[in-house]
Amino acid sequence: AIRITQSPSSLSASTGDRVTITCRASQSITTYLAWYQQQPGKAPKLLIYSASTLQSGVPSRFSGSGSGTEFTLTISRLQSEDFATYYCQQYYSYPWLDFGGGTKVEIK
Amino acid sequence: QLQLLESGPGLVKPSETLSLTCTVSGDSIDRSNYYWGWIRQPPGKGLEWIGSIFYSGDAYYNSSLNSQVTISVDTSKNQYSLKLNFVTAADTAVYYCARHSGPSLTIPFDYWGQGILVTVSS
Repeated sequence: AIRITQSPSSLSASTGDRVTITCRASQSITTYLAWYQQQPGKAPKLLIYSASTLQSGVPSRFSGSGSGTEFTLTISRLQSEDFATYYCQQYYSYPWLDFGGGTKVEIK
Repeated sequence: QLQLLESGPGLVKPSETLSLTCTVSGDSIDRSNYYWGWIRQPPGKGLEWIGSIFYSGDAYYNSSLNSQVTISVDTSKNQYSLKLNFVTAADTAVYYCARHSGPSLTIPFDYWGQGILVTVSS
């Protein structure tokens, strides 16, 4: 199975800050990685797929990069509605479509 | 607009079978070229993929749950279902149904249901 390690598990930031979240895979998943945002009590929302492609309707302050085993989600200027939990997901290898452990972005 | 809605009991007894249904509206399961999946999230924890199914009935499961889970599809009702056998308290979670954004498991989930909390307790 491919293990996905997401870091940090939580972070505190202020509106306007640049935020970076990392996911590492235990083996190469090329660019088969997605990022999701989950607001409290809501279903996850797809932000980015193929490591760096923005899903339709997602603000351009969100960006993704990486390939192989290391990936990054960046929020360029944090807005109030961005305080949420973020998950990465590898979809290179099934039957293990694993999610990272999540990163909670909190208000400083 | 595509919508997915989970339904089923919110309380299941230990050792019994958890049964949930996802009703799809806004598209027809048997005319669309997508896989349809189930994902769960224990309270305060992360996401776990359970399994996914194609309209033809081809289903794939998380290997850690393989012996416990069955996913089926009913195209006449535009629904697909999840059955999880011999549940324990560890199966308490919010269960989501979601659509893969294409005709493959190696594609992420682009539409999600609102989720349904299922508690396993006597």
